[in-house]
Amino acid sequence: EPEVTQTPSHQVTQMGQEVILRCVPISNHLYFYWYRQILGQKVEFLVSFYNNEISEKSEIFDDQFSVERPDGSNFTLKIRSTKLEDSAMYFCASAGPGSNQPQHFGDGTRLSIL
Amino acid sequence: QKEVEQNSGPLSVPEGAIASLNCTYSDRGSQSFFWYRQYSGKSPELIMFIYSNGDKEDGRFTAQLNKASQYVSLLIRDSQPSDSATYLCAVHEGTTDSWGKLQFGAGTQVVVTP
Repeated sequence: EPEVTQTPSHQVTQMGQEVILRCVPISNHLYFYWYRQILGQKVEFLVSFYNNEISEKSEIFDDQFSVERPDGSNFTLKIRSTKLEDSAMYFCASAGPGSNQPQHFGDGTRLSIL
Repeated sequence: QKEVEQNSGPLSVPEGAIASLNCTYSDRGSQSFFWYRQYSGKSPELIMFIYSNGDKEDGRFTAQLNKASQYVSLLIRDSQPSDSATYLCAVHEGTTDSWGKLQFGAGTQVVVTP
C-alpha cells in the first residue's frame, strides 16, 4: 500500500540553526500538509499546500517556517533559527485527488532542539 | 475558537468487549470526520472516516455521526490487546477555502485488558 515517507526520523539541532524536514507524499495525491505534535499535546495543523502554493496556514506557521515542493515528489518544511519550543514530532500528510479525502500521515520526524 | 473534545481516558476495556469512544465538535459547518489510531511515539493511522449522518461499518469498527448533536463516535467490537492505543478524532471543516485542515481532539487512550 502506498505510504507517505519522511526523513530523517530523528533530527537533533542546536538552537538557532536551520533544519529541513523532508517528505515524499503518496504519488497521486495533490494536497500536502504539515502538522506537529508537541510531546503530550494535540496534533496541530501547520500548513496546507496545493497546486504549488500555500492554501492555508495556522498562527504557528510564522516567518520562521517555509514549505517547498522542489520537484515532483518531495515536499519540505524548513524551520529557520530554531527555538527550544520547536521541539516536537512533525508529521507530513497527503490526500486526494478530490476534496475531503482522508489524509494519510507519514511516520514523522522527531525534532529535538538543544 | 473551534474545538474538538474527547474524553482523555484511559478507557479500560476487557478483551472481547466493545469499546465506545465519543467526540464532540463546535463548528456546525464541519463536513468530514475522521478517526485515527496513534500508538505511543508513532504517527496517526487512519481508521475510519464518515461524511453522512448515521453509521458506517468497516470490520470491527463502526463510526457514528450525528451532525445535529455535533458528535461523532467510534465503536470497536471484539476489542483486542493490539487495539490499545490513543484514538484521535479529527474534524475537517469542508469549506472550499479550508483545503482540508484537520482539527484534532486530544485523543482517548484505550487500554484493552486480557
